[in-house]
Amino acid sequence: AQSVTQLDSQVPVFEEAPVELRCNYSSSVSVYLFWYVQYPNQGLQLLLKYLSGSTLVKGINGFEAEFNKSQTSFHLRKPSVHISDTAEYFCAVKTTGGGNKLTFGTGTQLKVEL
Amino acid sequence: GAGVSQSPSNKVTEKGKDVELRCDPISGHTALYWYRQSLGQGLEFLIYFQGNSAPDKSGLPSDRFSAERTGGSVSTLTIQRTQQEDSAVYLCASSKEGRGTDTQYFGPGTRLTVL
Repeated sequence: AQSVTQLDSQVPVFEEAPVELRCNYSSSVSVYLFWYVQYPNQGLQLLLKYLSGSTLVKGINGFEAEFNKSQTSFHLRKPSVHISDTAEYFCAVKTTGGGNKLTFGTGTQLKVEL
Repeated sequence: GAGVSQSPSNKVTEKGKDVELRCDPISGHTALYWYRQSLGQGLEFLIYFQGNSAPDKSGLPSDRFSAERTGGSVSTLTIQRTQQEDSAVYLCASSKEGRGTDTQYFGPGTRLTVL
C-alpha cells in the first residue's frame, strides 16, 4: 500500500514571497505523483503531475514541483505567491502498475497575506 | 466544455434515512470515481468504474454504501441507513480512459450532513 505525508497543515506566507509545500510518499512500487488545489467550496483542480522523464514538472498558475526518488519527495514550489493562491493543496499518488485510485495526503492550507 | 457535475450540492438528512447522490461525468469519459472528504479521514477513495468492467469497490467503508453506473455514464452513490459518521463531502471524478496516466477531473462535490 502507498501513503502520502504532508507535514505542514497550514502555511502562512506574505504576498510575493516564495513558498514550498512539502510532500513525501511511501510506496513499494513505482508511482505517479500529483498536486491538486481546492479553492473554497469547489472541487479539486489538477496543478501538475509527474509521470516520467524530467523530474522538474511545471504546472498551472506558476507552480512547479520536483520529483526526488531517493528522498521519496514531490515538493511544490512557487517563486512569488498571490492572494488568489490562498487555497488547500493536496499531494496524491497512484501506482503505475494498475488500479487507478488516488491516495491523498491530508492537505496543506496555504494562506497568502498582504 | 462542461465539467463533472454533481447533485444535489447539499443534502441534509436524518440518521437512518437512505440518500442518493448523483454524478454526471464529462462526456466521453469512460472512467468514473467516487471519493469522500471528511474532517476525520481526509480524502479517501470509495469506488471506481471503468467501462463495462466490474467496479473496484475496495474503498467502500461498509455494506450500507453502494454505487451503480447506468449506461456507462451517470452514476449514483447510495448510502442506506445513514449514520452521523457518514457526514462528509462526496466527490465524483472522471477520466478519459481510466489509464494510470490519465488526469482525474473532479466535480464540486455533494455535502452530506446527517443529523
